[in-house]
Amino acid sequence: GAGVSQSPSNKVTEKGKDVELRCDPISGHTALYWYRQSLGQGLEFLIYFQGNSAPDKSGLPSDRFSAERTGGSVSTLTIQRTQQEDSAVYLCASSLAAAGGELFFGEGSRLTVL
Amino acid sequence: AQTVTQSQPEMSVQEAETVTLSCTYDTSENNYYLFWYKQPPSRQMILVIRQEAYKQQNATENRFSVNFQKAAKSFSLKISDSQLGDTAMYFCAFMNPGNTGKLIFGQGTTLQVKP
Repeated sequence: GAGVSQSPSNKVTEKGKDVELRCDPISGHTALYWYRQSLGQGLEFLIYFQGNSAPDKSGLPSDRFSAERTGGSVSTLTIQRTQQEDSAVYLCASSLAAAGGELFFGEGSRLTVL
Repeated sequence: AQTVTQSQPEMSVQEAETVTLSCTYDTSENNYYLFWYKQPPSRQMILVIRQEAYKQQNATENRFSVNFQKAAKSFSLKISDSQLGDTAMYFCAFMNPGNTGKLIFGQGTTLQVKP
């Protein structure tokens, strides 16, 4: 597609439920990143994919968080047993190359855990 | 570990005037990249300007320019002739190209341009 596409745009869920957030990167972009942005805060790195592998998962806050990428394209971020502190905007970005390349961001998925 | 600090949570400027947003960073690396991203209410992060650390010349993009002071580890953004559309949150970010290319962000500065 023309840009990075994320879905859903907004998600409201109850505490304890699982959620899946989807990212469709720009076609041909091999690098894909997930970030989390809490209200009024900066972006916190979660995970980086190069192709289908994730050489850097250092930002995942707990084992309730996982992500996968298939076909070197679409990525899914899964949060199990959601907690209220998981409420945030989850942003996905992709780039053509990891080294110094511009990251192109989607509009994010706003997650609200009640 | 690299860190990025933006010490101005909020700023305002009159339309057509000039404003400077501050950013400092900490790293032991010699080769890296610095970025300023803009985030309007739509949430989408938009690249404003990019600077390679090995370049001494400050980057410029139309009304946007940076003052890159490598020794001081300072990377400020100057917006000239401010426009209402410049109202947004601005993030300074650091990238070590040898480290997956991920961006380390500052906390952001909310800029309001007043008519």
